[in-house]
Amino acid sequence: ETGVTQTPRHLVMGMTNKKSLKCEQHLGHNAMYWYKQSAKKPLELMFVYSLEERVENNSVPSRFSPECPNSSHLFLHLHTLQPEDSALYLCASSLLPNTEAFFGQGTRLTVV
Amino acid sequence: AQKVTQAQTEISVVEKEDVTLDCVYETRDTTYYLFWYKQPPSGELVFLIRRNSFDEQNEISGRYSWNFQKSTSSFNFTITASQVVDSAVYFCALSEAGNAGGTSYGKLTFGQGTILTVHP
Repeated sequence: ETGVTQTPRHLVMGMTNKKSLKCEQHLGHNAMYWYKQSAKKPLELMFVYSLEERVENNSVPSRFSPECPNSSHLFLHLHTLQPEDSALYLCASSLLPNTEAFFGQGTRLTVV
Repeated sequence: AQKVTQAQTEISVVEKEDVTLDCVYETRDTTYYLFWYKQPPSGELVFLIRRNSFDEQNEISGRYSWNFQKSTSSFNFTITASQVVDSAVYFCALSEAGNAGGTSYGKLTFGQGTILTVHP
């Protein structure tokens, strides 16, 4: 048990669907992150929330929309995705800058 | 810009062999942090170690050991007497401190990962 829980674990969606990924942490951390892991590519940082404020958006397309309603929850809203968006999406949290991040098990997303 | 290079894409060993995973990094920061994570087939990244740039002392934890050499910008990871359960993808990462609106946060730059397969 890592302390960071992601749901769903697997998701198949059509290009016209709208879905949301959920991340929850009860570690008392104040920063939360979304990473994308595609085959044969390094993990890519998508978004960073610190104290519930979005502090970084790494040129992610607008079809990905994050939401952080409180310090324990993070969402990634998906709409009109493309097949190349199929990947493992990982959520992470950390307490302080430069401390270790704890990761969830990820959501394996397939866009058909 | 920060960069982490793990030159070994895949390594295959037989159980009980020792194996070293290489990691080379680039940064302009004088203070930085290095990490190793393990990703088993289940998907989550499991934290293994954090090392700051001022501490070049090598570390040993059971069968795991880490060799940090600032002069060569390397942070290598050795598994002694490997076991089948060590089979996973291993990632080296470099932390960069971010600051926005007075809030500090950390963000990791990952290497491409090394797939380690340990055969019985």
